[in-house]
Amino acid sequence: QAGLTQPPSVSKGLRQTATLTCTGNSNNVGSQGAAWLQQHQGHPPKFLSSRNNNRPSGISERFSASRSGNTASLTITGLQPEDEADYYCSAWDSSLSAWVFGGGTKLTVL
Amino acid sequence: EVQLVQSGAEVKKPGESLKISCKGSGYSFTTYWIGWVRQMPGEGLEWMGIIYPGDSDTKYSPSFQGQVTISADKSISTAYLQWSSLKASDTAMYYCARQGPDDYGDYWGQGTLVTVSS
Repeated sequence: QAGLTQPPSVSKGLRQTATLTCTGNSNNVGSQGAAWLQQHQGHPPKFLSSRNNNRPSGISERFSASRSGNTASLTITGLQPEDEADYYCSAWDSSLSAWVFGGGTKLTVL
Repeated sequence: EVQLVQSGAEVKKPGESLKISCKGSGYSFTTYWIGWVRQMPGEGLEWMGIIYPGDSDTKYSPSFQGQVTISADKSISTAYLQWSSLKASDTAMYYCARQGPDDYGDYWGQGTLVTVSS
């Protein structure tokens, strides 16, 4: 059972913009923010954005993260076929003293 | 270049023990937390626990406390995940990942597939 809530699937057209959401509570996303990971089928996850909304080198500017209250969002602009993947959010939960993940969102690029 | 290299796939029978490994390189192994994530077939990521190799301080997810043991040998920059008695439900891909300055998972291993079947 995931600690954070993500929609199971999102579908968008090529070159469109997708916004993926991740909802937690005041013990995790609301106070700590959320990081984002991308996982292509058959590959390990890849770090996309920190909870401070910093992107590692090599990650496209098309990926941007934000937060409002207990909900974090990942916006992907100019969708490309290679963006089709599973996306996970993660956050430190101060009440559990543990990292928690969302259940993941499968992004389909039509 | 930071790298985490995991041990190879394992096929075990229920009740057997197992220890898988994750070797870190390209960074100071003793000054970053490193931990384990389970991904069952077709499912999402589950955080299992984490260890600080510098002093072996360990934290477990409540869901995995008592089910597995996380350890590290800082002399060879290697973290471990261990089971004393495997169950069929332990069949999954297991990833190690480093906790960076802000977040968990800034670098990931390639994964170790564990299959438990009679």
